[in-house]
Amino acid sequence: DQQVKQNSPSLSVQEGRISILNCDYTNSMFDYFLWYKKYPAEGPTFLISISSIKDKNEDGRFTVFLNKSAKHLSLHIVPSQPGDSAVYFCAASITGNQFYFGTGTSLTVIP
Amino acid sequence: NAGVTQTPKFRVLKTGQSMTLLCAQDMNHEYMYWYRQDPGMGLRLIHYSVGEGTTAKGEVPDGYNVSRLKKQNFLLGLESAAPSQTSVYFCASSSSGGLSGREQYFGPGTRLTVT
Repeated sequence: DQQVKQNSPSLSVQEGRISILNCDYTNSMFDYFLWYKKYPAEGPTFLISISSIKDKNEDGRFTVFLNKSAKHLSLHIVPSQPGDSAVYFCAASITGNQFYFGTGTSLTVIP
Repeated sequence: NAGVTQTPKFRVLKTGQSMTLLCAQDMNHEYMYWYRQDPGMGLRLIHYSVGEGTTAKGEVPDGYNVSRLKKQNFLLGLESAAPSQTSVYFCASSSSGGLSGREQYFGPGTRLTVT
């Protein structure tokens, strides 16, 4: 059973606008959440993370929001750039030993 | 500093053949992981290791074995390949299991086809 879900397989956004990628999880024991970005034929690269004791973490154009009561996290990219076009995976872990990944959302930023 | 490397990049196997995928990292990371990525399934953890000489099962360990004889290397073995093991395999490493350092560094992947 999928413990981390990304219900939107794809998203298209105009350059300069905000991209919002969403992720839902079922296990309340998850204590750390991460977002990865993946280009075709490459491995995922780490983007940003948040621990369960926080509700927001910001790094430049990227902000992750965590709503523990709703078991929901989101990644905001603003402003979106064509180079942001990639597949984005959210992931969650307990103690850091096992990570559970969502199925990914393919973001296309239109110039 | 090469990061995480995987060998080979591509491989085609016949059903029943065996092979070993090699992962190497030069970041002195304690934790290493093997994942498989299938269409519509995201990345699923096969096995992982929290240090040299240790291994543990992940979500989908059946049909695979692993070894971590050296800190920098993590090997994934398929003893008798099956078409269901056709996938892209990613290796990753991280420095710790604590709240900091959990971000994983991934290799470029190995595309395996079993016919």
